[in-house]
Amino acid sequence: SQTIHQWPATLVQPVGSPLSLECTVEGTSNPNLYWYRQAAGRGLQLLFYSVGIGQISSEVPQNLSASRPQDRQFILSSKKLLLSDSGFYLCAWNLASTGELFFGEGSRLTVL
Amino acid sequence: EDKVVQSPLSLVVHEGDTVTLNCSYEVTNFRSLLWYKQEKKAPTFLFMLTSSGIEKKSGRLSSILDKKELSSILNITATQTGDSAIYLCAVETRSNYQLIWGAGTKLIIKP
Repeated sequence: SQTIHQWPATLVQPVGSPLSLECTVEGTSNPNLYWYRQAAGRGLQLLFYSVGIGQISSEVPQNLSASRPQDRQFILSSKKLLLSDSGFYLCAWNLASTGELFFGEGSRLTVL
Repeated sequence: EDKVVQSPLSLVVHEGDTVTLNCSYEVTNFRSLLWYKQEKKAPTFLFMLTSSGIEKKSGRLSSILDKKELSSILNITATQTGDSAIYLCAVETRSNYQLIWGAGTKLIIKP
C-alpha cells in the first residue's frame, strides 16, 4: 500500500533563516507531487507541483522553491524565511489518471 | 478565473442534527468534484463525483453533484461530535488535472 511521509511536523524559525521541508512517498512509482499551504481557517493554496524528477511548476511567485531529486521525494525550501511564510504546509501525491489526492500529515511552520 | 465557493463558512449544530454543506463552482472543462474532511492535520478523502444526479453514500455521509446548477451538497445525518472538522470541496478540471479548492466549511458539533 502507498504511504506518504512528511517532516518535520512542527517548526519554529526566525525571520531570515533557511527552510527545508521534506516529503517522501512509498509504494508507488512516478507520482504527481504537490506542495500546498493552508492559512488558518482557509482552503488550500497550491505552491508547487511536479510530474517527474527535476520537473517543477510554480503556481505562486514567492521566496519558496521546490525540488524533486528522486522520483518519490519532494522538498520545499527557502533561503530566507519571511513572517508571511508562516502556515500549515501539506505535501500530497496522486497518479496522473485520477484527481484524488493523498496528503501527508502536514508541517506547521511558525516564523518569528 | 476558475473558482470554488463553499457555504456556509462555519456552522454550529447539536449532536443528532442533520447538516447540508454546499459547494458551487465556476470552472472551464469540469472533470470531477471532490470532498475532503480535515480534522487536525491531513485532509482525508470522502467522495469523488463526476456524474450529475448520482448520490454517493458512506454511512451517515452522502453527496450529490448537480452539473446544471454547478454545485454539490454534502449531507451528514445524525451528526456526532466526531464529525466536527473542516470540510473541503475541490474541483478538478480537464485542462491540467490540478485541483481548485474552496475555503472550506468549519463544522462544529456540540454535544
